[in-house]
Amino acid sequence: KAGVTQTPRYLIKTRGQQVTLSCSPISGHRSVSWYQQTPGQGLQFLFEYFSETQRNKGNFPGRFSGRQFSNSRSEMNVSTLELGDSALYLCASALGGSNEKLFFGSGTQLSVL
Amino acid sequence: GESVGLHLPTLSVQEGDNSIINCAYSNSASDYFIWYKQESGKGPQFIIDIRSNMDKRQGQRVTVLLNKTVKHLSLQIAATQPGDSAVYFCAERVTGGGNKLTFGTGTQLKVEL
Repeated sequence: KAGVTQTPRYLIKTRGQQVTLSCSPISGHRSVSWYQQTPGQGLQFLFEYFSETQRNKGNFPGRFSGRQFSNSRSEMNVSTLELGDSALYLCASALGGSNEKLFFGSGTQLSVL
Repeated sequence: GESVGLHLPTLSVQEGDNSIINCAYSNSASDYFIWYKQESGKGPQFIIDIRSNMDKRQGQRVTVLLNKTVKHLSLQIAATQPGDSAVYFCAERVTGGGNKLTFGTGTQLKVEL
């Protein structure tokens, strides 16, 4: 069974631009969560989607948004990029419900210049 | 608050020795705890989990101990191998929080030959 797939693997953008990251969960998984990882802040929760609905949201500004499609694939978007948005963005999928094991992808490394 | 912190940022052990990685958590509402291993260039990999109604759980070469009285979690790795070198994160999930995880800061485990 294929794991969590994130594309692209690397991305370079400039300040003010917007970016869209994609995540394909493990087949059969209906929950997709997004995390931001930086050396200074560690792993921080962005949001979780389940059955196309946002179920949880972290403490990030409105520039960070996401969505989930009927096939459980998810995208996150960051608008008006800032230098501080440079990070590894990780997607994790779970079967569904709560208290399920989360399986992570390898992430998208975003660099904002 | 919801902070989860690790006591030691770097742990060096000799190959074949046992490793113990510690984690403190502060949210008494957390009912599920997970340890992840992250190797360079990869996403976090699930190691072992434990629910709050347990105080010990064993896997293959790994044991997780939970002390709810002092809000402390530990990961024990038996017969540490070079392939165990990685950053280890503890994470907690609050009851009713869906699949939102709060991660600790991470401990770098270095295995010396």
